[in-house]
Amino acid sequence: GEDVEQSLFLSVREGDSSVINCTYTDSSSTYLYWYKQEPGAGLQLLTYIFSNMDMKQDQRLTVLLNKKDKHLSLRIADTQTGDSAIYFCADFNDYKLSFGAGTTVTVRA
Amino acid sequence: NAGVTQTPKFQVLKTGQSMTLQCAQDMNHNSMYWYRQDPGMGLRLIYYSASEGTTDKGEVPNGYNVSRLNKREFSLRLESAAPSQTSVYFCASSDFGTGGYEQYFGPGTRLTVT
Repeated sequence: GEDVEQSLFLSVREGDSSVINCTYTDSSSTYLYWYKQEPGAGLQLLTYIFSNMDMKQDQRLTVLLNKKDKHLSLRIADTQTGDSAIYFCADFNDYKLSFGAGTTVTVRA
Repeated sequence: NAGVTQTPKFQVLKTGQSMTLQCAQDMNHNSMYWYRQDPGMGLRLIYYSASEGTTDKGEVPNGYNVSRLNKREFSLRLESAAPSQTSVYFCASSDFGTGGYEQYFGPGTRLTVT
């Protein structure tokens, strides 16, 4: 199957920017997604990017896609305590999403 | 509009017991999915149904069966539960929209097999 890899942990100070990185192997991925999971809850779609785009901005969120290197990143500006969660990247191919293991983001005061 | 609902929220089974996890969506989506989530492993696809009347195996189908009862409902059955099936199970649904096939998730079922 397709592999999606992420670093497992990120600690960031409140008010700073967070950057979560992800690499994927499937060059035919058409859409790539970022999901957020808060403790005890399901996954919530944060944002997505189509594979022919390099960047997408949505309020505090910026997604960068380097298709040549198969690298995806999510930047959260002005990180708040409510941003503490697990963040998953996922790529879409053949009706299915392949998820990374998730990056646990901890926001410290 | 409830989105994706799952029952039960929590379940404890003994090894060898059987149970069915229920999932329903009210968004008129064609595709539905069952995942399991284990610490440090992300979400792994168990089975999916691309459209009503079809089901296909995902990455980890062994020990599970599914039924796409109608367009709204997709159930997951454990015939003989094993401790290795202790996990959090998520159901999701999707259809093609502006974000591609973005999936919408239920709240999860936390299953413990002793």
